[in-house]
Amino acid sequence: QSALTQPRSVSGSPGQSVTISCTGTSSDVGVYNYVSWYQQHPGKAPKVMIYDVSKRPSGVPDRFSGSKSGTTASLTISGLQAEDEADYYCCSYAGSYTHVVFGGGTKLTVL
Amino acid sequence: QVQLQESGPGLVKPSQTLSLTCTVSGGSISSGGYYWSWIRQHPGKGLEWIGYIYYSGSAYCNPSLKSRLTISVDTSKNQFSLKLSSVTAADTAVYYCARDRGPGSYSFDYWGQGTLVTVSS
Repeated sequence: QSALTQPRSVSGSPGQSVTISCTGTSSDVGVYNYVSWYQQHPGKAPKVMIYDVSKRPSGVPDRFSGSKSGTTASLTISGLQAEDEADYYCCSYAGSYTHVVFGGGTKLTVL
Repeated sequence: QVQLQESGPGLVKPSQTLSLTCTVSGGSISSGGYYWSWIRQHPGKGLEWIGYIYYSGSAYCNPSLKSRLTISVDTSKNQFSLKLSSVTAADTAVYYCARDRGPGSYSFDYWGQGTLVTVSS
Protein backbone atom coordinates (compact mmCIF):
# COMPACT_ATOMS: atom_id res chain seq x y z
CA GLN A 1 0.00 0.00 0.00
CA SER A 2 1.41 3.36 -1.08
CA ALA A 3 1.83 6.20 1.36
CA LEU A 4 -0.12 8.63 -0.83
CA THR A 5 -3.54 7.71 -2.21
CA GLN A 6 -4.44 8.29 -5.84
CA PRO A 7 -7.39 7.05 -7.91
CA ARG A 8 -6.39 4.04 -9.96
CA SER A 9 -7.73 5.51 -13.16
CA VAL A 10 -9.27 8.61 -14.70
CA SER A 11 -10.39 9.32 -18.22
CA GLY A 12 -11.42 12.19 -20.43
CA SER A 13 -12.03 13.11 -24.03
CA PRO A 14 -9.68 15.24 -26.10
CA GLY A 15 -10.05 18.89 -25.20
CA GLN A 16 -11.59 18.19 -21.81
CA SER A 17 -9.99 18.70 -18.39
CA VAL A 18 -9.22 16.05 -15.82
CA THR A 19 -8.03 16.29 -12.24
CA ILE A 20 -6.05 13.65 -10.40
CA SER A 21 -6.07 13.77 -6.63
CA CYS A 22 -3.33 12.72 -4.25
CA THR A 23 -4.26 12.34 -0.60
CA GLY A 24 -1.60 12.24 2.06
CA THR A 25 -1.41 13.04 5.75
CA SER A 26 -0.36 15.77 8.13
CA SER A 27 3.15 14.27 8.00
CA ASP A 28 3.69 14.81 4.28
CA VAL A 29 1.36 16.62 1.87
CA GLY A 30 -0.35 18.47 4.69
CA VAL A 31 2.79 20.05 6.08
CA TYR A 32 5.28 20.39 3.21
CA ASN A 33 4.92 22.31 -0.05
CA TYR A 34 7.14 19.77 -1.77
CA VAL A 35 4.61 17.89 -3.85
CA SER A 36 5.68 16.83 -7.32
CA TRP A 37 3.93 15.02 -10.15
CA TYR A 38 5.44 12.62 -12.69
CA GLN A 39 4.21 11.40 -16.05
CA GLN A 40 5.28 7.94 -17.16
CA HIS A 41 4.65 6.44 -20.55
CA PRO A 42 4.96 2.65 -20.94
CA GLY A 43 8.55 1.47 -20.86
CA LYS A 44 9.87 4.96 -20.18
CA ALA A 45 11.34 6.72 -17.18
CA PRO A 46 9.09 9.12 -15.27
CA LYS A 47 9.20 12.80 -16.20
CA VAL A 48 8.55 15.61 -13.75
CA MET A 49 5.53 17.70 -14.73
CA ILE A 50 4.98 19.74 -11.56
CA TYR A 51 7.21 20.43 -8.56
CA ASP A 52 6.81 22.43 -5.37
CA VAL A 53 3.01 21.89 -5.60
CA SER A 54 2.42 24.17 -8.57
CA LYS A 55 5.64 25.00 -10.43
CA ARG A 56 6.14 23.81 -13.98
CA PRO A 57 9.59 22.87 -15.28
CA SER A 58 10.70 24.48 -18.50
CA GLY A 59 9.18 22.70 -21.47
CA VAL A 60 6.08 21.39 -19.70
CA PRO A 61 2.91 22.77 -21.32
CA ASP A 62 0.85 25.18 -19.25
CA ARG A 63 -2.06 22.77 -19.69
CA PHE A 64 -0.59 21.05 -16.65
CA SER A 65 -1.21 22.70 -13.29
CA GLY A 66 -0.92 21.69 -9.67
CA SER A 67 -2.52 22.75 -6.43
CA LYS A 68 -2.91 21.69 -2.83
CA SER A 69 -5.54 22.00 -0.14
CA GLY A 70 -4.88 20.56 3.28
CA THR A 71 -3.64 16.99 2.89
CA THR A 72 -4.76 16.63 -0.74
CA ALA A 73 -2.78 17.70 -3.77
CA SER A 74 -4.19 17.80 -7.27
CA LEU A 75 -2.91 17.70 -10.82
CA THR A 76 -5.17 19.21 -13.45
CA ILE A 77 -4.65 18.65 -17.15
CA SER A 78 -6.69 20.91 -19.37
CA GLY A 79 -7.20 20.61 -23.12
CA LEU A 80 -6.49 16.88 -23.03
CA GLN A 81 -4.43 15.52 -25.87
CA ALA A 82 -3.82 11.95 -26.96
CA GLU A 83 -0.19 12.11 -25.85
CA ASP A 84 -1.27 12.86 -22.28
CA GLU A 85 -2.38 9.23 -21.93
CA ALA A 86 0.06 7.85 -19.38
CA ASP A 87 0.49 6.93 -15.74
CA TYR A 88 0.80 9.82 -13.29
CA TYR A 89 2.44 9.64 -9.88
CA CYS A 90 2.42 12.15 -7.08
CA CYS A 91 5.28 12.45 -4.65
CA SER A 92 5.85 14.34 -1.43
CA TYR A 93 8.63 15.05 1.00
CA ALA A 94 7.72 13.44 4.31
CA GLY A 95 10.24 14.70 6.82
CA SER A 96 13.68 13.66 7.98
CA TYR A 97 12.81 10.03 8.78
CA THR A 98 10.68 8.85 5.87
CA HIS A 99 11.98 11.50 3.44
CA VAL A 100 10.10 10.68 0.22
CA VAL A 101 6.75 9.00 -0.44
CA PHE A 102 5.00 8.27 -3.72
CA GLY A 103 1.40 7.70 -4.62
CA GLY A 104 0.29 4.44 -6.17
CA GLY A 105 -0.19 6.00 -9.58
CA THR A 106 -3.18 6.92 -11.75
CA LYS A 107 -3.71 5.68 -15.28
CA LEU A 108 -5.06 8.44 -17.49
CA THR A 109 -6.99 7.28 -20.52
CA VAL A 110 -7.79 9.75 -23.30
CA LEU A 111 -11.00 8.47 -24.86
CA GLN B 1 22.10 18.56 -20.13
CA VAL B 2 22.50 16.18 -17.21
CA GLN B 3 22.29 12.50 -18.10
CA LEU B 4 22.23 9.48 -15.81
CA GLN B 5 22.91 5.87 -16.76
CA GLU B 6 22.40 2.80 -14.59
CA SER B 7 24.65 -0.23 -14.94
CA GLY B 8 24.92 -3.59 -13.24
CA PRO B 9 23.83 -7.22 -13.44
CA GLY B 10 20.33 -7.89 -14.68
CA LEU B 11 20.07 -11.17 -12.79
CA VAL B 12 20.86 -11.74 -9.13
CA LYS B 13 20.43 -14.94 -7.14
CA PRO B 14 18.28 -14.97 -4.00
CA SER B 15 20.18 -14.14 -0.79
CA GLN B 16 22.94 -12.41 -2.76
CA THR B 17 23.69 -8.69 -3.01
CA LEU B 18 22.26 -6.50 -5.76
CA SER B 19 24.80 -3.91 -6.92
CA LEU B 20 24.10 -1.04 -9.30
CA THR B 21 26.05 2.03 -10.35
CA CYS B 22 24.76 5.27 -11.79
CA THR B 23 27.12 7.32 -13.96
CA VAL B 24 26.35 11.01 -14.22
CA SER B 25 27.36 13.09 -17.24
CA GLY B 26 26.76 16.70 -18.15
CA GLY B 27 27.18 17.83 -14.58
CA SER B 28 29.36 17.18 -11.56
CA ILE B 29 28.11 15.39 -8.47
CA SER B 30 30.70 17.41 -6.52
CA SER B 31 29.06 20.72 -7.40
CA GLY B 32 26.59 20.11 -4.59
CA GLY B 33 23.02 21.24 -4.18
CA TYR B 34 21.43 17.98 -5.27
CA TYR B 35 20.66 14.58 -3.82
CA TRP B 36 21.52 11.61 -6.03
CA SER B 37 18.73 9.09 -5.74
CA TRP B 38 17.63 5.53 -6.32
CA ILE B 39 14.01 4.69 -7.05
CA ARG B 40 12.53 1.35 -8.06
CA GLN B 41 9.38 0.13 -9.72
CA HIS B 42 8.13 -3.40 -9.25
CA PRO B 43 6.67 -4.93 -12.44
CA GLY B 44 3.34 -3.31 -13.19
CA LYS B 45 3.43 -1.36 -9.93
CA GLY B 46 4.14 2.11 -8.66
CA LEU B 47 7.33 3.93 -7.73
CA GLU B 48 9.20 3.31 -4.49
CA TRP B 49 11.90 5.65 -3.18
CA ILE B 50 14.97 3.68 -2.10
CA GLY B 51 17.31 6.41 -0.88
CA TYR B 52 19.60 9.27 -1.83
CA ILE B 53 23.08 10.53 -1.17
CA TYR B 54 24.75 13.91 -1.13
CA TYR B 55 28.20 14.45 -2.66
CA SER B 56 29.65 14.59 0.85
CA GLY B 57 28.60 10.99 1.43
CA SER B 58 25.61 11.68 3.67
CA ALA B 59 22.99 9.11 2.74
CA TYR B 60 19.32 8.78 3.60
CA CYS B 61 17.41 5.54 3.09
CA ASN B 62 13.86 4.25 2.99
CA PRO B 63 13.27 2.96 6.52
CA SER B 64 11.83 -0.28 5.14
CA LEU B 65 15.09 -1.05 3.29
CA LYS B 66 17.62 0.55 5.58
CA SER B 67 18.90 -2.67 7.18
CA ARG B 68 19.87 -4.11 3.78
CA LEU B 69 20.88 -0.96 1.94
CA THR B 70 24.15 0.81 1.28
CA ILE B 71 24.37 3.90 -0.92
CA SER B 72 27.77 5.34 -1.73
CA VAL B 73 29.27 8.03 -3.95
CA ASP B 74 32.54 8.23 -5.92
CA THR B 75 33.02 11.85 -6.91
CA SER B 76 36.24 11.06 -8.80
CA LYS B 77 34.25 8.92 -11.22
CA ASN B 78 31.07 11.04 -11.01
CA GLN B 79 29.18 7.94 -9.96
CA PHE B 80 26.99 6.79 -7.12
CA SER B 81 26.07 3.25 -6.24
CA LEU B 82 23.49 1.05 -4.59
CA LYS B 83 24.02 -2.23 -2.77
CA LEU B 84 21.01 -4.17 -1.51
CA SER B 85 21.81 -7.32 0.43
CA SER B 86 19.90 -10.56 1.06
CA VAL B 87 17.66 -10.05 -1.96
CA THR B 88 14.49 -12.02 -2.61
CA ALA B 89 12.05 -12.19 -5.50
CA ALA B 90 10.33 -9.17 -3.97
CA ASP B 91 13.34 -7.09 -4.97
CA THR B 92 12.75 -7.78 -8.65
CA ALA B 93 12.11 -4.37 -10.18
CA VAL B 94 13.23 -1.71 -12.60
CA TYR B 95 15.78 0.39 -10.75
CA TYR B 96 16.13 4.06 -11.66
CA CYS B 97 18.74 6.55 -10.62
CA ALA B 98 17.64 10.16 -10.55
CA ARG B 99 18.72 13.62 -9.46
CA ASP B 100 16.73 15.16 -6.62
CA ARG B 101 16.71 18.94 -6.56
CA GLY B 102 17.37 18.64 -2.87
CA PRO B 103 16.38 20.76 0.12
CA GLY B 104 14.01 23.44 -0.98
CA SER B 105 12.33 21.30 -3.58
CA TYR B 106 12.68 17.53 -3.20
CA SER B 107 11.68 16.66 -6.75
CA PHE B 108 13.38 14.42 -9.29
CA ASP B 109 14.29 16.40 -12.39
CA TYR B 110 16.60 14.03 -14.27
CA TRP B 111 16.23 10.25 -14.50
CA GLY B 112 18.18 7.38 -15.95
CA GLN B 113 16.43 5.06 -18.38
CA GLY B 114 16.10 2.37 -15.71
CA THR B 115 17.51 -1.13 -15.51
CA LEU B 116 15.54 -4.30 -14.83
CA VAL B 117 16.97 -6.48 -12.09
CA THR B 118 15.49 -9.93 -11.71
CA VAL B 119 16.08 -11.96 -8.57
CA SER B 120 15.97 -15.63 -9.47
CA SER B 121 18.00 -18.77 -9.07
